[in-house]
Amino acid sequence: NAGVTQTPKFRILKIGQSMTLQCTQDMNHNYMYWYRQDPGMGLKLIYYSVGAGITDKGEVPNGYNVSRSTTEDFPLRLELAAPSQTSVYFCASSYSTGRGNEQYFGPGTRLTVT
Amino acid sequence: SQELEQSPQSLIVQEGKNLTINCTSSKTLYGLYWYKQKYGEGLIFLMMLQKGGEEKSHEKITAKLDEKKQQSSLHITASQPSHAGIYLCGAGLFYNQGGKLIFGQGTELSVKP
Repeated sequence: NAGVTQTPKFRILKIGQSMTLQCTQDMNHNYMYWYRQDPGMGLKLIYYSVGAGITDKGEVPNGYNVSRSTTEDFPLRLELAAPSQTSVYFCASSYSTGRGNEQYFGPGTRLTVT
Repeated sequence: SQELEQSPQSLIVQEGKNLTINCTSSKTLYGLYWYKQKYGEGLIFLMMLQKGGEEKSHEKITAKLDEKKQQSSLHITASQPSHAGIYLCGAGLFYNQGGKLIFGQGTELSVKP
């Protein structure tokens, strides 16, 4: 199993540009998540999904959109990139269990908006 | 302020020394997870604690959960350079609500040879 894969690993965007961060998992997990990590701030949840066709906002959803058409894929869309979106983005997935909910993380995408 | 506070924020220890990282929640915990992150990489799962008083060990790392105090500690015995990295705690604060986790801000550990 490849686990959780993310592409690209690095990207530089200009202000106002758009891009999609790709995330794929091959573990048949129902739950998927997008986080951003800023220095000294831990991880902040952007969006999450409990299954194909179902998504919901996390703590910091503004400026992002997601879709979940299949169990495997959970892309994150930035429509009008802003410098505040410079960050490292992590995708994660987990089984749909109750309290036992270990999340498996991808390697991250480092995004710079200038 | 953070719902999940880690202390210390950074730590430098001499190889062979013991150390403890704490994670304290301002709300009721529904599961506590410890992850390690090497610089420039993703998060690696270390341990999950679900019940008050639970203690788990893996190699030289031990984690404990004090549910009454809403606190967990991660203890490393006889630290090695391979232990260096960022340690993050994550907690389920919303029971079964999509399995969402809240994360602490991380503790950066450096181990001097």
